[in-house]
Amino acid sequence: DAGVTQSPTHLIKTRGQHVTLRCSPISGHKSVSWYQQVLGQGPQFIFQYYEKEERGRGNFPDRFSARQFPNYSSELNVNALLLGDSALYLCASSLHGTADSGANVLTFGAGSRLTVL
Amino acid sequence: AQKVTQAQTEISVVEKEDVTLDCVYETRDTTYYLFWYKQPPSGELVFLIRRNSFDEQNEISGRYSWNFQKSTSSFNFTITASQVVDSAVYFCALSGYNAGNMLTFGGGTRLMVKP
Repeated sequence: DAGVTQSPTHLIKTRGQHVTLRCSPISGHKSVSWYQQVLGQGPQFIFQYYEKEERGRGNFPDRFSARQFPNYSSELNVNALLLGDSALYLCASSLHGTADSGANVLTFGAGSRLTVL
Repeated sequence: AQKVTQAQTEISVVEKEDVTLDCVYETRDTTYYLFWYKQPPSGELVFLIRRNSFDEQNEISGRYSWNFQKSTSSFNFTITASQVVDSAVYFCALSGYNAGNMLTFGGGTRLMVKP
């Protein structure tokens, strides 16, 4: 069975541009979460989507947005890129995603490595 | 606010040595979950264990064991008889009961196991 797949794997952008990252969850998983991992640090939570609705948002500026499609895949968009946006962007999926389901076990993809010049 | 601290940024051991990775957490929640994930060079985070705050029993899985001590807010991870394949970055993470998929990660510990 395919795991969580992310595309592109690597990309280079310049300051001010925008970027779209894509994620396909494990088949049957209805929740997708996005994390940003700056080099040498732990991942930081950006968004969670469940059943196409935003269920959580981390402390990131409005330049970051996301959405989930009817097939449960997801896109993360970042506008007006800054040098500090250079990071590995990780997508994770889980079967459940409601807050009262407890802390779900997340399955992560290999990430999209974004370099902003 | 929640916080996870992994004070050891890098550990280097020789194969077959035992090694313990420390994790200290802060939370005001009475119900919470603790996790360990492994991140090999390929980048994806691999789930190792989840423990809820009401279960302080230590757990052993093969060469891996975890020691959860609520009194000291610690959740340490020990690898017995380390192997080169254990080389990776290990992350401890914390989530509140109603946090959905919002994990708070520590800064990670890079483990290098030399042959």
